[in-house]
Amino acid sequence: SQTIHQWPATLVQPVGSPLSLECTVEGTSNPNLYWYRQAAGRGLQLLFYSVGIGQISSEVPQNLSASRPQDRQFILSSKKLLLSDSGFYLCAWSGQAGGQPQHFGDGTRLSIL
Amino acid sequence: GESVGLHLPTLSVQEGDNSIINCAYSNSASDYFIWYKQESGKGPQFIIDIRSNMDKRQGQRVTVLLNKTVKHLSLQIAATQPGDSAVYFCAEINTDKLIFGTGTRLQVFP
Repeated sequence: SQTIHQWPATLVQPVGSPLSLECTVEGTSNPNLYWYRQAAGRGLQLLFYSVGIGQISSEVPQNLSASRPQDRQFILSSKKLLLSDSGFYLCAWSGQAGGQPQHFGDGTRLSIL
Repeated sequence: GESVGLHLPTLSVQEGDNSIINCAYSNSASDYFIWYKQESGKGPQFIIDIRSNMDKRQGQRVTVLLNKTVKHLSLQIAATQPGDSAVYFCAEINTDKLIFGTGTRLQVFP
């Protein structure tokens, strides 16, 4: 069966520090991969998605970037964090064919001080 | 613009009763819809999905109804249990992107 892993589960970082969140998927090949951010008590905002290695689409302009160095690895990064980057970050995967559900990891709670 | 919204931000039900969570969507071209359950501190968990060529689909204790005429989606949970307490999101797939509603919190009391 397919599984998705995100780490760390929680992270506290000072303003201006770099960021690297990692997501890996097991049990499937060539998945679509997604990064979302969720504000407290709100819905999910799509940040990036990838249909293959090295292929990244950005949905909103922001202080973050994403990379996909391997088929089942998706990384969310920042060179200098802002206070507004605080939030709950979720990684998800889906099959390549259209009309399939996305499956989510358990997220990373990021707090910027 | 395209949007998916929920009518009620919080729903309180007694254990054993049935729950109905509603959702409205605005993109009449959407052809695939999903319900997710999100518990505190966790990622959304897939519950059930439905395609636009159907108007009803049943799972274990859950039923999703789709009314394309009024662009309305609902999730029915039978015999609601304390473990059903969570935030429920509807979502539509639009060009392989999920568009989420803001969520409804379901509270189950004894």
